[in-house]
Amino acid sequence: DQQVKQNSPSLSVQEGRISILNCDYTNSMFDYFLWYKKYPAEGPTFLISISSIKDKNEDGRFTVFLNKSAKHLSLHIVPSQPGDSAVYFCAASANTGNQFYFGTGTSLTVIP
Amino acid sequence: ETGVTQSPTHLIKTRGQQVTLRCSSQSGHNTVSWYQQALGQGPQFIFQYYREEENGRGNFPPRFSGLQFPNYSSELNVNALELDDSALYLCASSSEQGSGETQYFGPGTRLLVL
Repeated sequence: DQQVKQNSPSLSVQEGRISILNCDYTNSMFDYFLWYKKYPAEGPTFLISISSIKDKNEDGRFTVFLNKSAKHLSLHIVPSQPGDSAVYFCAASANTGNQFYFGTGTSLTVIP
Repeated sequence: ETGVTQSPTHLIKTRGQQVTLRCSSQSGHNTVSWYQQALGQGPQFIFQYYREEENGRGNFPPRFSGLQFPNYSSELNVNALELDDSALYLCASSSEQGSGETQYFGPGTRLLVL
């Protein structure tokens, strides 16, 4: 049972434009959400997080939006750069627990 | 400061065999989590070790077991290998039990079961 879903396996965006990556979840107990970035042959690296008490968190070019009623979060990257080309995973946990549930990932390609 | 390392990088086993994967955590980290990432899927939580004790387990059968040593390095053992165990196995170390932000992943061990 996939509790965290990323329905777009891939996304291509022109350099300088906005990249929007989406994630949906089913478990209403999830209260902490993260985005990870993964390059080939490397492990995922933490990018940005948001707790359920907020609806937006921003860190430089990266902004995560959380819509609790829709059980949906999105990652916006503005402006997109070629170095952003990677696989992006969203992940969630409940009650600050130690078990993180990951989506299947979205492969982002930023075209120069 | 050394990062998280895993060995071996690749491994081929046959069905029914046993395998041991190793993970050296980042300096100063006392918590190690193991994940299985099947092809086309996201990482799935197997279990976590905190100060040498299992501290949470995902939906994996008992033939998946682990150890954490006094230096906080860790092993993942899988007995009676099945074809579906073919995957990338990731370990992640952190200095706190529940923080995804401070969780650093290794590059993984790719296991192929024939």
